[in-house]
Amino acid sequence: AQSVTQPDIHITVSEGASLELRCNYSYGATPYLFWYVQSPGQGLQLLLKYFSGDTLVQGIKGFEAEFKRSQSSFNLRKPSVHWSDAAEYFCAVGGGNNDMRFGAGTRLTVKP
Amino acid sequence: DAGITQSPRYKITETGRQVTLMCHQTWSHSYMFWYRQDLGHGLRLIYYSAAADITDKGEVPDGYVVSRSKTENFPLTLESATRSQTSVYFCASTSVAGVGYNEQFFGPGTRLTVL
Repeated sequence: AQSVTQPDIHITVSEGASLELRCNYSYGATPYLFWYVQSPGQGLQLLLKYFSGDTLVQGIKGFEAEFKRSQSSFNLRKPSVHWSDAAEYFCAVGGGNNDMRFGAGTRLTVKP
Repeated sequence: DAGITQSPRYKITETGRQVTLMCHQTWSHSYMFWYRQDLGHGLRLIYYSAAADITDKGEVPDGYVVSRSKTENFPLTLESATRSQTSVYFCASTSVAGVGYNEQFFGPGTRLTVL
């Protein structure tokens, strides 16, 4: 089965600073990659997804992610973080084996 | 309102008791899922259902039972709750075939504490 690693449990950035959240996956076939955000007390909301084509994908709320097959990575980025971006972020990988695996999550704190 | 709802939002129970968590969606999505969220593990799939009367195990099914007699409902039952089942439970749904392919829409979660 596929697996996902999010190396950073907790990241703190200053408001206005850039952000990069790391995601590494393991899957033998073509991966379907997702980033979700979870605000406190809420369910998960999709930020963006990658299936094929352009390896740089744009999502909601100004987020983007880049798929790098050679590095088995799908890192999430935002050029300028807002206080409202404080949340938990989950990377997920799916595919044709009827399975979806989520990473353990990265908690983002935004300093004023 | 349209969407996916879960009830109760919070539940405290005792070891050995039976507990049922409810999930209801108004989109007529064919696929529905139950996940548990634990610190350090992210979300792990318990069970999923491709349609009414079709269910299958996920990564961590032991101790749980599901049913799906109607498309819109997907209850999760803990037949004899244990402390290790203390967790936050999320229900999700999607309209397109393929568990691994598509965006899932999540409910707000149920926080379950087993004493």
